[in-house]
Amino acid sequence: QKEVEQDPGPLSVPEGAIVSLNCTYSNSAFQYFMWYRQYSRKGPELLMYTYSSGNKEDGRFTAQVDKSSKYISLFIRDSQPSDSATYLCAMSAGSSASKIIFGSGTRLSIRP
Amino acid sequence: DGGITQSPKYLFRKEGQNVTLSCEQNLNHDAMYWYRQDPGQGLRLIYYSQIVNDFQKGDIAEGYSVSREKKESFPLTVTSAQKNPTAFYLCASRPGLTNEKLFFGSGTQLSVL
Repeated sequence: QKEVEQDPGPLSVPEGAIVSLNCTYSNSAFQYFMWYRQYSRKGPELLMYTYSSGNKEDGRFTAQVDKSSKYISLFIRDSQPSDSATYLCAMSAGSSASKIIFGSGTRLSIRP
Repeated sequence: DGGITQSPKYLFRKEGQNVTLSCEQNLNHDAMYWYRQDPGQGLRLIYYSQIVNDFQKGDIAEGYSVSREKKESFPLTVTSAQKNPTAFYLCASRPGLTNEKLFFGSGTQLSVL
């Protein structure tokens, strides 16, 4: 079993819809949770960064962490065609020896 | 403009050849990383370096080598021992071990001729 599981999609939604992207994980030591957006053949770009449980909002994006369920989500409101990309979740335990573990990514397509 | 520069953008390798991918950063970050990305498999860690003149193997280090002679530079060599080198290679850096934010370069696509 992988430490981080992410549905690869593809996920296709109409413009303006609310998008929900999710990851589950098995390591209860994870404390730092990140979402990256990657356009085709480009480097990933950090979108959201959260520590421990709770919600964090930044513009149209909301990151949610539920450590009791080992489940994280990224919500995109008022989705735009420019949001079409692959979204990668990532997480780490935060100690100096810890690695950052990535999900396999979800391909998202926003239809105009 | 601060950032991470990877070159070349595209690289082709012949059978039995070693090739080197360049990664330079001017962010003054201590830690640098190399990831390999294959379709549908996310990012897999090849090597990482926390300080100059020190580096550690990641999950898939076989067939690769690195050096860290300068803080700004972390080149990756794909050796002839790597039998399946075709992939998208990403270099990343992070400010320090207490900061989990990774910053990525734009990637190098390596293909076998």
